[in-house]
Amino acid sequence: AQSVTQPDIHITVSEGASLELRCNYSYGATPYLFWYVQSPGQGLQLLLKYFSGDTLVQGIKGFEAEFKRSQSSFNLRKPSVHWSDAAEYFCAVGAGNAGKSTFGDGTTLTVKP
Amino acid sequence: DGGITQSPKYLFRKEGQNVTLSCEQNLNHDAMYWYRQDPGQGLRLIYYSQIVNDFQKGDIAEGYSVSREKKESFPLTVTSAQKNPTAFYLCASSKPNKAVNTEAFFGQGTRLTVV
Repeated sequence: AQSVTQPDIHITVSEGASLELRCNYSYGATPYLFWYVQSPGQGLQLLLKYFSGDTLVQGIKGFEAEFKRSQSSFNLRKPSVHWSDAAEYFCAVGAGNAGKSTFGDGTTLTVKP
Repeated sequence: DGGITQSPKYLFRKEGQNVTLSCEQNLNHDAMYWYRQDPGQGLRLIYYSQIVNDFQKGDIAEGYSVSREKKESFPLTVTSAQKNPTAFYLCASSKPNKAVNTEAFFGQGTRLTVV
């Protein structure tokens, strides 16, 4: 069975600092990997996705993620965090049917001024 | 603009009542999904449908029912059999399964509270 672990429930960073959110997955085949962001009381918005090819993927809002098969990880990064990045972030793994992805429990990001 | 519309945004239900959450999409997607989200937890799949007039149970289907009579619409009914229905419900859609390499598009959610 596929699963996703986001080890950090809550992360606080200062505005302008770099950010890395961790995601580890368990999947029996080549995974399809996603990062979504959710603002309070809102739906999820896709930040980026990995299906194949270059293991470093670029997304919206200046985010990037790196797929490391050997570590079963798909960590999300941003070089300089803005106050508007404060939100909850979800990593997901799927088999291509994107809506049936398995989601992690999320990481809440707080940005200090 | 294309997208997914969920209504209402907030819904209050009395114990023992059934309630129906609406989800409409104009993205021409074949597949639609319902998720439940509880505080501190990820999304859990309730039901999904890959084509009109067909749907399958997800991981937590007990106490819920759906229909898919039109491609654009996938309403979710929370029945009185659902023991703990207070949650945030998210509807999503995606291109059909055979069209891989795509992502899910989400609505803005409905917050259901049992009073």
